[in-house]
This record gives sequence, structure tokens and C-alpha cells, in this order.
Amino acid sequence: DGGITQSPKYLFRKEGQNVTLSCEQNLNHDAMYWYRQDPGQGLRLIYYSQIVNDFQKGDIAEGYSVSREKKESFPLTVTSAQKNPTAFYLCASRPGTGSTGELFFGEGSRLTVL
Amino acid sequence: AQSVTQPDIHITVSEGASLELRCNYSYGATPYLFWYVQSPGQGLQLLLKYFSGDTLVQGIKGFEAEFKRSQSSFNLRKPSVHWSDAAEYFCAVKGGADGLTFGKGTHLIIQP
Repeated sequence: DGGITQSPKYLFRKEGQNVTLSCEQNLNHDAMYWYRQDPGQGLRLIYYSQIVNDFQKGDIAEGYSVSREKKESFPLTVTSAQKNPTAFYLCASRPGTGSTGELFFGEGSRLTVL
Repeated sequence: AQSVTQPDIHITVSEGASLELRCNYSYGATPYLFWYVQSPGQGLQLLLKYFSGDTLVQGIKGFEAEFKRSQSSFNLRKPSVHWSDAAEYFCAVKGGADGLTFGKGTHLIIQP
């Protein structure tokens, strides 16, 4: 079945450590997105990529980094510069620019900083 | 820039009662509008979407939504809720190149 796979589902990190969250899709979608979700805050866009080897900052990119070396993969690194990294992270994708904009979501990764 | 407001943070409804979740948007052109549902610890699932045409759209799980341009609203409705409808509901609008803009969500509680 086609879909988006995020891993790990739960991750614990000590302060000062970088961690990488995986996002893989087999939907053949061009665009991929990372959102951060905090209680009462809704979803906030971290980074997005509309094509391989290109990505753009979203509203809250500070302390995060991404890469898009393959169409199906869009990993997110939470760096030690991110001051409050404990959150639920959601990866999403959609077809290319001709699409109606609907996003398809993974199941999320919950990061907790100890 | 586009924005979405969901005025109700929490809503409590008795099982079997009707439901309406409010959504107001701000966008200069004709919007593409969406409603998603999220169960605890899960990703988001699309309930329905509006692009053009009939302003009353039907979705999955018995949900419907009505687009009202004059009120900049896209409210979600269900005639009779089930305990399994308890979840977080997000309204979203498409605008620009950077995906969707989401509201902050409405947490739906179902009373037995």
C-alpha cells in the first residue's frame, strides 16, 4: 500500500544532541513537508521541498535542517540549536504543482528532550 | 497571507446529537479548503475538501461542510455523532507554494 512512513514513532534525546527523524513516501509525490505540532498551537510549517535537491524554510525553521537527495525521502534533523524541541512532528506530501493542495500525512514522531 | 481561525478550542456534544465545528478563513482569491481529523498520537486524515462548484461538500464518516463566501466560513457538520468521532479537528486553507495553513484545531469530546 502507498503511504508515508515516519520513524521512529517515539524518540528521547538528551539536551545538546542532534536527532534525525525519517520520512519516506512511496506515493511518487513531488512535494514534501515537515510540520511541528504543539498542544493548542495547531500545525506549524518547519520546512518544505517541492523538488529533489531543493527545499525552503517554513515559519519556524530555526534549529532544524533538512535534505532532499531522493524524491521519496525527506529527513528532518533537530539540532541542539532548537531551544524547545519536545513536540510531535508530522511529515506530509502531495503531488506536484498541478494538484489541488491536499496533503497526505504520516503517523508522526514524538520527540521528547530529557 | 492566508489564515484560518477555529473559534472553539473545545466542544462537548452528547452521543447522537448534531455537531457543527466552525472555521473562518482569510484568503484573497478563491480558496481551496480542507477539514482533517486527528486521533490522539496519530497523523491527520482528510475528511473533505472544497475547490469549486457546489458549496455543500460531502466527506467520509458522514461529515459534510458548507462553503459560504460571504461569511468567509467553511463549517463542518454531522447530523448525529458517535463516540468514535472524539478527536481533534483541523480546518486548513491552501494558498501560495508552502502547503496548507492550518487552524489551531477544535478538540471534540463526546458525552455518553
